[in-house]
Amino acid sequence: AQTVTQSQPEMSVQEAETVTLSCTYDTSESDYYLFWYKQPPSRQMILVIRQEAYKQQNATENRFSVNFQKAAKSFSLKISDSQLGDAAMYFCAYRSLGAQKLVFGQGTRLTINP
Amino acid sequence: EPEVTQTPSHQVTQMGQEVILRCVPISNHLYFYWYRQILGQKVEFLVSFYNNEISEKSEIFDDQFSVERPDGSNFTLKIRSTKLEDSAMYFCASSESRQGVEQYFGPGTRLTVT
Repeated sequence: AQTVTQSQPEMSVQEAETVTLSCTYDTSESDYYLFWYKQPPSRQMILVIRQEAYKQQNATENRFSVNFQKAAKSFSLKISDSQLGDAAMYFCAYRSLGAQKLVFGQGTRLTINP
Repeated sequence: EPEVTQTPSHQVTQMGQEVILRCVPISNHLYFYWYRQILGQKVEFLVSFYNNEISEKSEIFDDQFSVERPDGSNFTLKIRSTKLEDSAMYFCASSESRQGVEQYFGPGTRLTVT
């Protein structure tokens, strides 16, 4: 079974600085999807960024980018120019190509200091 | 922008009682999901539903749980006889298709079993 691990329960960063959230996963599959979801307080989870395992190029969405290291089974999220609105719980998630379920990590709570 | 909605936001029930958690997925979506998050633990997949049938379920989703799409808009999760350990946040999600990579999440229902 696949597992996802986020080793940082909490992170904090100064506004306008860059922060990296870590995620590792375990799988025997070669094709899959990886995601970062953001959950602001009392709000629904929204997709921040996704990566298809067959793509070597790291995904980027505006200030959010990933460092996908397939061999190391690592999928970190970098947030550049952090903003107060980035404060949230961030979940890393895995999905097999042929399955529908998402497998989540424990989450990292990100605090932005003004 | 279309959103997944869930009602109620918080439900308190006594052990042994039946509860029904309600979700309205995004209107043109075809796949529906329930996840739960026990306080302090990971978000866990419960079940996926397509074409009025369960398409995938986890080992958590035992005979105490059932899902239904009673009309064209609602998607419900029923717990027949609640236990203390059912206390959790329950998230509904939907996606456009099986190949639809993104799952859109609702804000969750907090279930407290006393």
